[in-house]
Amino acid sequence: QKEVEQDPGPLSVPEGAIVSLNCTYSNSAFQYFMWYRQYSRKGPELLMYTYSSGNKEDGRFTAQVDKSSKYISLFIRDSQPSDSATYLCAMSGAGNNRKLIWGLGTSLGVNP
Amino acid sequence: EAGVVQSPRYKIIEKKQPVAFWCNPISGHNTLYWYRQNLGQGPELLIRYENEEAVDDSQLPKDRFSAERLKGVDSTLKIQPAELGDSAVYLCASSLGLAGVDEQFFGPGTRLTVL
Repeated sequence: QKEVEQDPGPLSVPEGAIVSLNCTYSNSAFQYFMWYRQYSRKGPELLMYTYSSGNKEDGRFTAQVDKSSKYISLFIRDSQPSDSATYLCAMSGAGNNRKLIWGLGTSLGVNP
Repeated sequence: EAGVVQSPRYKIIEKKQPVAFWCNPISGHNTLYWYRQNLGQGPELLIRYENEEAVDDSQLPKDRFSAERLKGVDSTLKIQPAELGDSAVYLCASSLGLAGVDEQFFGPGTRLTVL
């Protein structure tokens, strides 16, 4: 079993839809939970991060962490064609255990 | 502010040939990473530098891969000899090396094709 599991999709939604992207993990030592967005032929860029449990909102994006279930989510409201990209979850521990463990990435297409 | 610069962007070589990738991180970033990303996969860490010191190279295939970061700034990743399975995108990233969330900034990558 991989430390981080993420459904690779692809996911296709109409413009304006609410998108839910998810990852599960097995390592209870993870403290930092990140979502990166990667456009085609580009490197990943950090979209949002959450420390420990809870929610974080930034514009149309909301990140949720449920440590009891070892489950994290990224919600995109009012999705736009410009949101079409691959979304990668990544996690790390604290202190000296800061190596990022990545999911496979979920490919999202938002259709106008 | 300039981002992470990588060159070349694309490289096609025949197997058993050597190849080198170059990375210039964001100014002031002490930590530098080399990743390999296969199609449909997340990035796989090859090596992490703190200034000039390689602090995590456990995933670097040392029989054919080597890396250096002279003067703690630019870095070069080399493969010699290349194998068919080395075809992938090689990503360089840099960060400030902060405790807690240490945001990594990625370059566009070098797409390597080994024939």
